Amino acid sequence: EIVLTQSPGTLSLSPGERVTLSCRASQSVKSSYLAWYQQKPGQAPRLLIYGASSGATGIPDRFSGSGSGTDFTLTISRLEPEDFAVYYCQQYGSSPYTFGQGTKLEIK
Amino acid sequence: EVQLVESGGGLVQPGGSLRLSCAASGFTFSSFWMHWVRQAPGKGLVWVSYITSDGTGTMSADSVKGRFTVSRDNAKNTLYLQMHSLRAEDTAVYYCARSRIGGSGSLGHWGQGTLVTVSS
Repeated sequence: EIVLTQSPGTLSLSPGERVTLSCRASQSVKSSYLAWYQQKPGQAPRLLIYGASSGATGIPDRFSGSGSGTDFTLTISRLEPEDFAVYYCQQYGSSPYTFGQGTKLEIK
Repeated sequence: EVQLVESGGGLVQPGGSLRLSCAASGFTFSSFWMHWVRQAPGKGLVWVSYITSDGTGTMSADSVKGRFTVSRDNAKNTLYLQMHSLRAEDTAVYYCARSRIGGSGSLGHWGQGTLVTVSS
């Protein structure tokens, strides 16, 4: 099973700042089958990025993903108030598919 | 518009059984792999299982293998999760999710979830 470790656990930032979230895999993720999701309290997750760097439909271009192998990042170029949420990475290259433990973005 | 509506959650005693359903609409259900993902209260997301578009292939997490069975009825546009031998640690919100495209493992659409509570 591929274990995904996200860092940091919590980030306190202000609107307008740039942020980079990390997701590290315990072994190489096949074909960069790595996705990022955003989840707000009381809501279902929303797909942001798939294939490590492709934006899902309707996702603002301030969200971008990069990486390959075992190291992946999600960058939000300029934080908007609605971006404060929990972010999860997920690998779907090998079964069982696994999620990271999440990074919480909170308003400073 | 894609819609996924889960039902069937509730309170069940340890060792009991429950069947969750997910009614799908707004897309060609038989063309997409479907998944179940759960989230214990205050915790992160955990992938549970998937089923291929025609229902002939399934895969589940080790934590539920032998206890949970995923199935689908493409004529009824409905996904199911049959859960047996439930444990306290199975308490969670259970989400059904649709693959972004065809057989992809990235989850492009999610239901709002149904809460399963395992307690005596």
